[in-house]
Amino acid sequence: DVKVTQSSRYLVKRTGEKVFLECVQDMDHENMFWYRQDPGLGLRLIYFSYDVKMKEKGDIPEGYSVSREKKERFSLILESASTNQTSMYLCAGGRYNEQFFGPGTRLTVL
Amino acid sequence: AQTVTQSQPEMSVQEAETVTLSCTYDTSESDYYLFWYKQPPSRQMILVIRQEAYKQQNATENRFSVNFQKAAKSFSLKISDSQLGDAAMYFCAYRIGGTSYGKLTFGQGTILTVHP
Repeated sequence: DVKVTQSSRYLVKRTGEKVFLECVQDMDHENMFWYRQDPGLGLRLIYFSYDVKMKEKGDIPEGYSVSREKKERFSLILESASTNQTSMYLCAGGRYNEQFFGPGTRLTVL
Repeated sequence: AQTVTQSQPEMSVQEAETVTLSCTYDTSESDYYLFWYKQPPSRQMILVIRQEAYKQQNATENRFSVNFQKAAKSFSLKISDSQLGDAAMYFCAYRIGGTSYGKLTFGQGTILTVHP
């Protein structure tokens, strides 16, 4: 079975902290994605990467950055966490016709 | 920009009955793909069904089928013989064709409750 794992299921951070969310895929997929999921808004794309060290902004990149140093690992970074970044964060990997999702990280910023 | 709209925040169905979830989308592209994803409570999101826009035939996967109306830009999901395990949040998603790296645009989601 293909697998996408995320470093934490639940995370609580304070305003202003630097936050790292890690995602690992074992599928050898070129493409990886970070979404945030909010009630009534569905999933919105933050950033994606189509190769090692390559990244593209999604629809809501403000306040976030990403890193992809190895093909299997894609990190989302909140440089200075704010309360409006409290959300569920989903990582996905995939090719053109299917994305495989991780279990999500529920981040609370106090 | 492409948009995907799911106008039903919540739906419910009796076990063994049929339910239809609605989705509309807006695009000026002719080459695209449509998807339904399922997110069970506290579990990972999985792909339910996929439709290529160039195919006229509606996709089916066991008890799941779609009604793809290209001119109306409508893409509904029909679940037949509903089971308790079908209870989940369902997302409709769109992807442009070509070299889009597989980026998806999602709708707002529909919570499906299945009553025994």
